[in-house]
Amino acid sequence: QKEVEQDPGPLSVPEGAIVSLNCTYSNSAFQYFMWYRQYSRKGPELLMYTYSSGNKEDGRFTAQVDKSSKYISLFIRDSQPSDSATYLCAMTMVMGFQKLVFGTGTRLLVSP
Amino acid sequence: GAGVSQSPSNKVTEKGKDVELRCDPISGHTALYWYRQSLGQGLEFLIYFQGNSAPDKSGLPSDRFSAERTGGSVSTLTIQRTQQEDSAVYLCASSFGQGAYEQYFGPGTRLTVT
Repeated sequence: QKEVEQDPGPLSVPEGAIVSLNCTYSNSAFQYFMWYRQYSRKGPELLMYTYSSGNKEDGRFTAQVDKSSKYISLFIRDSQPSDSATYLCAMTMVMGFQKLVFGTGTRLLVSP
Repeated sequence: GAGVSQSPSNKVTEKGKDVELRCDPISGHTALYWYRQSLGQGLEFLIYFQGNSAPDKSGLPSDRFSAERTGGSVSTLTIQRTQQEDSAVYLCASSFGQGAYEQYFGPGTRLTVT
């Protein structure tokens, strides 16, 4: 069993929909949680970073962490075709010189 | 400023040949990471450098894989006697290091072993 599980999708939604992307993890030592967005043939770019349980909002994006359930989510409001990409969750135990453990990524398709 | 650059962007090689993949991190970033992304898989950690030292090599899949970093800057990932299962996108990332949470990724090198 992988340390981080993520549904690969694809997830297809119409423009303007609210999107929910999720990851579960098994290692309770993970303390820092990130969401990366990866466009085709590009490297991942950081979207959101959270530490504590609860919600963190940044524009149309909200990251949610529930450490008791070992479950994290990314919500995208008013989704746009430009949001079509693969979304990867990532987590680590210690911030700084430390590898990230990634989910497999969920491919999101937003149709006009 | 310039981001992380990787070369070559694509590499096709025959099984059994050696390949070298290069990463130029963002200037001033002390930490450098190599990951591998295979079809349908997430990013798989390979190795990270703190300066020129590699405190964590735990992700290297076999002794055919090695990496070095010189001058606290450029890094090279070498795969000897390539196998078909080595086909993947190899991604490099860099960060400021201790206390820094964001890793900045390059565009990757797509390796195909025929």
